[in-house]
Amino acid sequence: QVQLVDSGGGVVQPGGSLRLSCAASGFIFSTFGMYWVRQAPGKGLEWVAYIAYDGSRTFYSDSVKGRFTISRDNTKNTLYLHMNGLKGDDTAMYYCAKPRGGMAPQPFDNWGQGTLVSVSS
Amino acid sequence: EVLLTQSPATLSLSPGERATLSCRASQSVSSNLAWYQQKPGQAPRLLIYDASNRAVGIPARFSGSGSGTDFTLTVSSLEPEDFAVYYCQQLSNWPLTFGGGTNLEIK
Repeated sequence: QVQLVDSGGGVVQPGGSLRLSCAASGFIFSTFGMYWVRQAPGKGLEWVAYIAYDGSRTFYSDSVKGRFTISRDNTKNTLYLHMNGLKGDDTAMYYCAKPRGGMAPQPFDNWGQGTLVSVSS
Repeated sequence: EVLLTQSPATLSLSPGERATLSCRASQSVSSNLAWYQQKPGQAPRLLIYDASNRAVGIPARFSGSGSGTDFTLTVSSLEPEDFAVYYCQQLSNWPLTFGGGTNLEIK
């Protein structure tokens, strides 16, 4: 079955960098666009980034644009989120998410377990 | 950006009762709306997509309705495992946005 395993979170100082990974299995990774979603402690869900199935298109929320980069390696079935210039507001659980399918944005029918990023001095 | 407003913020009900959750969009999203359930310490779970279609494995007591700007998630008869936080999400426009959530708690 579909499995998404998030990793790479940790404690980082303001201004620091981190790279999150999401290892995918149980589906043809190279045919799905993929997403990152985050959730600050005690808060709601926030979409962060999207990458097309082949990496040709990316979209970002305004809150991370210019600081975060989403990428993927279809040979390794792995999604990444490169995070630079981290701020306290970036403290959150980060989830990778797989859509139901299709070219248009589709709801997320599978989620990773999340990886926690804490930005603190 | 499409703003999604969920109401009420908290809903207190008893098992067996009917729950009605609302999601209102700041502009039309057609039927491009989904509902998720999230329990403490867990990732969200997709319940409803395209406003009214149940996702795989979702019990029939969950139903969604609406189009345009006004949407409803209904749980016909609450089971103990249904008490959780529920989020709506629009997929009509970038950036994709979520509502602020409704906390469905046991009365």
